[in-house]
Amino acid sequence: EVQLVESGGGLVQPGRSLRLSCTASGFTFDDYAMSWVRQAPGKGLEWVGFIRTKAYGGTTEYAASVKGRFTISRDDSKSIAYLQMNSLKTEDTAVYYCTRAVAATPYWGQGTLVTVSS
Amino acid sequence: DIVMTQSPLSLSVTPGQPASISCKSSQSLLHSDGKTYLYWYVQKPGQTPQLLIYEVSNRFSGVPDRFSGSGSGTDFTLKISRVEAEDVGVYYCMQSIQLPTFGQGTRLEIK
Repeated sequence: EVQLVESGGGLVQPGRSLRLSCTASGFTFDDYAMSWVRQAPGKGLEWVGFIRTKAYGGTTEYAASVKGRFTISRDDSKSIAYLQMNSLKTEDTAVYYCTRAVAATPYWGQGTLVTVSS
Repeated sequence: DIVMTQSPLSLSVTPGQPASISCKSSQSLLHSDGKTYLYWYVQKPGQTPQLLIYEVSNRFSGVPDRFSGSGSGTDFTLKISRVEAEDVGVYYCMQSIQLPTFGQGTRLEIK
């Protein structure tokens, strides 16, 4: 059974950093790109970014709203994808989901809440 | 970025009646590989998003056949032939021909 479990969310002050983790199981992690999607309270879905597999260079893509502040990485030996969030803003407050692949994915984690507030 | 525009933003439907949601993209979603990268998700209350339709018209495994997707280029539609109470939620279209973007979401409620 495919499982994705996010962790690392919490309350953080504006300008500070936070790292989220997505621990995967039930599939060959190396074979899949991994994405992050967020949802601000009461709002719609916003794609954050994704990381390709090592076979495709392990390169990353980001939404304009987070580019230069957020970094996605992966540790295939541990089946974990990370989202490093720097220079956080109040508008980054959201539930952050990790998903397997970029689109057409039925596999989403339950999400972790990040609250950016002073 | 490709902008995805859904309409209506909310829908109230009597059980057993049909429903239709439109999604328009600011650029064509037809790739040179012949595929069109348009998807539909639903987020039911308190749940994570669920994949309904991929590549315009392909129902994901387990999705009831009352759901259908159609369209081409920049204009797409999700139809529910007979709405049931369990269909309540927010429906999103999404494109991935470029960096992924979602529509604003359409909230479906039952009358």
